Order: sequence, then C-alpha cells, then structure tokens
Amino acid sequence: EAGVAQSPRYKIIEKRQSVAFWCNPISGHATLYWYQQILGQGPKLLIQFQNNGVVDDSQLPKDRFSAERLKGVDSTLKIQPAKLEDSAVYLCASSLEQAEVHLNEQYFGPGTRLTVT
Amino acid sequence: RKEVEQDPGPFNVPEGATVAFNCTYSNSASQSFFWYRQDCRKEPKLLMSVYSSGNEDGRFTAQLNRASQYISLLIRDSKLSDSATYLCVVNSPGGSQGNLIFGKGTKLSVKP
Repeated sequence: EAGVAQSPRYKIIEKRQSVAFWCNPISGHATLYWYQQILGQGPKLLIQFQNNGVVDDSQLPKDRFSAERLKGVDSTLKIQPAKLEDSAVYLCASSLEQAEVHLNEQYFGPGTRLTVT
Repeated sequence: RKEVEQDPGPFNVPEGATVAFNCTYSNSASQSFFWYRQDCRKEPKLLMSVYSSGNEDGRFTAQLNRASQYISLLIRDSKLSDSATYLCVVNSPGGSQGNLIFGKGTKLSVKP
C-alpha cells in the first residue's frame, strides 16, 4: 500500500516569499491533517480536513497560511509571505474515518523541510 | 502547565536495559492516548495506543493513570533499533476527534 506522499521534500526561500506544499494521502483516507514540527518540538496541528471540508483550523495562522483540499483527495498548504519563524518540517497525515477515536491511526508522510532565510 | 509534558532526555542506555518514559497531560477530559515513535529526520509512526487497563506489545508496555493524568511507556530488553524519539500523544477534548496534541518527545539512545 502506498503511503502518504509529499512534495517537495526540501525548500529554501527568503522571508516574505511564498511557498506551497503538496500532499497526497493514502487512498481511501477521508481525513487529512497538516502539522508543523519545529526543531526540538512535537508536531502541532495546523488544519484538519474531512473529505473536502475543514474540520479544525483553529491553530492555522490565517493571515499568512492557507490550505485547500478541493476534490477531497490531495491537498496544498501555502505560506504567503513567509517569516523566519516558519522554518520547520511540514507534515501531512491521513486517517480512515472511524467511530472509535483510538482506531484513528494517523499515517504521516515524509514531510517538507522548509528553511526561511 | 503545558498540555503534554515529557522528559526530553536524552536517555542513554546499554543494550538489554529496561527504560521507562513518563508523560503527563493537563486536560482531564482527554480520552485517547498514544505513543508515537519518530526516527531522526523521519516522520512519526504509531507505536501503540494506551488503554485504561494498560497494554503490552512484545517488549513494550504502556500504562495510563487517569487520576494522576499520567502515561508511561516501558521498554524491556532494549535493542539498538529502539533508538529514536518517543512522542506522547493525547487527543484534544475540545477539538475534533483527530485533533492530537503531541509532547516534545523523549530521545532514547541505545548503545552496544
């Protein structure tokens, strides 16, 4: 079974530039998540989609971050304009929709390592 | 108090040792608990869910104490391949079902 795909794997940009990340979840997974993981920290949820609808974006800095999942499959996360503190690994994860929360194993992609200079 | 707190380590242990990681969480309404493993420069992967009665998977044992809001992970007979960062994860009771809160992780290094 193919895992969660992300691209690019690495990106270096200057502050105030824009950047976009792409994620293709595991086939059949209705739920998709974007996380930000700063060095030395655990992943922090940015946004959660259920099919093509946003379930939770309470921790997304909406003044500069945006995300979409128009057809309910793959998703893009954009940062515009980037700041130095956005340097992090951006992880995409997906899960099946299960009634029991403890069955909702989240499968992570390899991440995109962003460096803002 | 941070939502999920872990001792960052690093824990440096010899092969064959038993090592225990502790984690505390702040919201008593949390219902789901997990341990994830993250290898250096890799993505997190689910190691095991943590159930109220405690659960074991081979050399790994997870315990939950709801009264103390405390979660533990015990690794017996450590292997070199156990070297990784172990993330304590708790669901956010106010958020959606999938809204997980990750601790900073505890780094384990198993030496020959």
